[in-house]
Amino acid sequence: AQSVTQPDIHITVSEGASLELRCNYSYGATPYLFWYVQSPGQGLQLLLKYFSGDTLVQGIKGFEAEFKRSQSSFNLRKPSVHWSDAAEYFCAVGDTGGGNKLTFGTGTQLKVEL
Amino acid sequence: GAVVSQHPSRVICKSGTSVKIECRSLDFQATTMFWYRQFPKQSLMLMATSNEGSKATYEQGVEKDKFLINHASLTLSTLTVTSAHPEDSSFYICSAGATGREAFFGQGTRLTVV
Repeated sequence: AQSVTQPDIHITVSEGASLELRCNYSYGATPYLFWYVQSPGQGLQLLLKYFSGDTLVQGIKGFEAEFKRSQSSFNLRKPSVHWSDAAEYFCAVGDTGGGNKLTFGTGTQLKVEL
Repeated sequence: GAVVSQHPSRVICKSGTSVKIECRSLDFQATTMFWYRQFPKQSLMLMATSNEGSKATYEQGVEKDKFLINHASLTLSTLTVTSAHPEDSSFYICSAGATGREAFFGQGTRLTVV
């Protein structure tokens, strides 16, 4: 069965600092990988996704993620965090049917200090 | 990206009553829709998968008689929480997908049972 681990429950960074959110997955085949962001009481917004091809994926809001098969990782990065980035971030792995059925990690709560 | 509309965004109901939540794909035909539940400060857990015109497939531990799912058309799926109780209070979110493409999420429904 597929699974996703986000080791960091909470992360605090200063505005302007760089950010890396960790995500490790377990999946038997080539995974479909996603990062979503959720603000309090809101739905999910897709930041970026990886299906195949270039392992460095660019997303919205200045985020990027790198797929590393050897490490079973898909870490999310941003070079300079803005206060508006404070939110909950979820990594997810999708099944082979186009990635529709998702298994989510437990999420990382990002706090940004001004 | 594609648009998935979920309604209502918030609902408060009395214990013992039933509540229906709608999920509509507005600009594509969704062969599959997924229903997730998210408890406060937790991740999204898949409840069930529904395919148009067939019975939903429920995840282990989800009561199919309590959470009725109907996917009568390629653009509409409904989740009915029957005989709701306070422990059913949660954030419910749907996603809609089709073969070969990623799933798109609705805005979510905050259910409060009093």
